Amino acid sequence: DVKVTQSSRYLVKRTGEKVFLECVQDMDHENMFWYRQDPGLGLRLIYFSYDVKMKEKGDIPEGYSVSREKKERFSLILESASTNQTSMYLCASSLTGGRGYTFGSGTRLTVV
Amino acid sequence: AQTVTQSQPEMSVQEAETVTLSCTYDTSENNYYLFWYKQPPSRQMILVIRQEAYKQQNATENRFSVNFQKAAKSFSLKISDSQLGDTAMYFCAFKNSGGSNYKLTFGKGTLLTVNP
Repeated sequence: DVKVTQSSRYLVKRTGEKVFLECVQDMDHENMFWYRQDPGLGLRLIYFSYDVKMKEKGDIPEGYSVSREKKERFSLILESASTNQTSMYLCASSLTGGRGYTFGSGTRLTVV
Repeated sequence: AQTVTQSQPEMSVQEAETVTLSCTYDTSENNYYLFWYKQPPSRQMILVIRQEAYKQQNATENRFSVNFQKAAKSFSLKISDSQLGDTAMYFCAFKNSGGSNYKLTFGKGTLLTVNP
């Protein structure tokens, strides 16, 4: 079975901490994405990457950065976590073209 | 920019009945793809059904089918013979077919509850 694996299911961090969310896919997909999901707001794109070392801002990049050093791994970094970054974070990957995404199981991050 | 609107935040249906979830979108493109995703409680988001805009025939996957009205920019999901396992959040999504067609744009979701 093809997979997108997010390293943590639940995470609790303190305000001001640097937080790393890791995502790995085993499908040789070119594209990888980070979304956050909040009740009533749906899924909002934070960053995406269409190739190794390439990245583009999504709709809500402020307070986040990303890293893609290898094709299979896409990391989301919260430079200084804040309480308004408490959310469900979803990683996804895809081939370019008309296919949809394959999603990971999500990381529920709580910043206290 | 494309937008996707799901006008029903919550819906409920009795087991074995049929329910339709609505989705409209806004785009100036002629070729694109539309998707319905399902997210069960505390579980992974999975693809339910996919439609290519240049195909007039509505997509069908077992009990799931769509009513794609291109001129009206409408893409509704029909679930027949609803089952308890269909209880989930459902997201409609849009993707361009040309250019930098990397991104999916999602609606805000419809929470569907199937009652026994």
